[in-house]
Amino acid sequence: GAVVSQHPSRVICKSGTSVKIECRSLDFQATTMFWYRQFPKQSLMLMATSNEGSKATYEQGVEKDKFLINHASLTLSTLTVTSAHPEDSSFYICSAGGGTEAFFGQGTRLTVV
Amino acid sequence: AQSVTQLDSQVPVFEEAPVELRCNYSSSVSVYLFWYVQYPNQGLQLLLKYLSGSTLVKGINGFEAEFNKSQTSFHLRKPSVHISDTAEYFCAVEGSNYKLTFGKGTLLTVNP
Repeated sequence: GAVVSQHPSRVICKSGTSVKIECRSLDFQATTMFWYRQFPKQSLMLMATSNEGSKATYEQGVEKDKFLINHASLTLSTLTVTSAHPEDSSFYICSAGGGTEAFFGQGTRLTVV
Repeated sequence: AQSVTQLDSQVPVFEEAPVELRCNYSSSVSVYLFWYVQYPNQGLQLLLKYLSGSTLVKGINGFEAEFNKSQTSFHLRKPSVHISDTAEYFCAVEGSNYKLTFGKGTLLTVNP
């Protein structure tokens, strides 16, 4: 299957700082990427749909000013957690493509201290 | 709207025993169904998917699932599990705009 690389795999940051997570499709072009958040022992919750060249579409309850998404090319989408707080600590997963052709990154464990 | 219910949050089994992980869905759009496996601190790996055709779907690692439209179910099975099958398993259904809705997951623990 296709390869999606997510970086970094783990990050620890101080409260109040911003963190950028990258999601790259290595061997195919993805006009659409999805960002999920997963709390411990829980399911994946869709945060937003990232569309190349246009604004991301956020799910209800997700703060767009806090979780900035940029999809500047067909192989790269980034999620920036701005002014991070401890409650933002979570596992973030991206997928390139959707539905029947969704390929997931390895996930990023964010810890805000 | 789509929803997925995984009836068991945890399933402990002994090695080489059969296992069934249950999944029920509801969908107002398509009925494209998926099972994913997640190992600790990793992303999701597709086990199998049902799009159309035969209701019995075979996937990787010896897993299979059966689509039952009348019961709105898509249960995952494996006739003989290994220690290495210990992981979290997620059932998912595709909704509009290619979005996936996931169940809460089932932790399969295979004991020696």
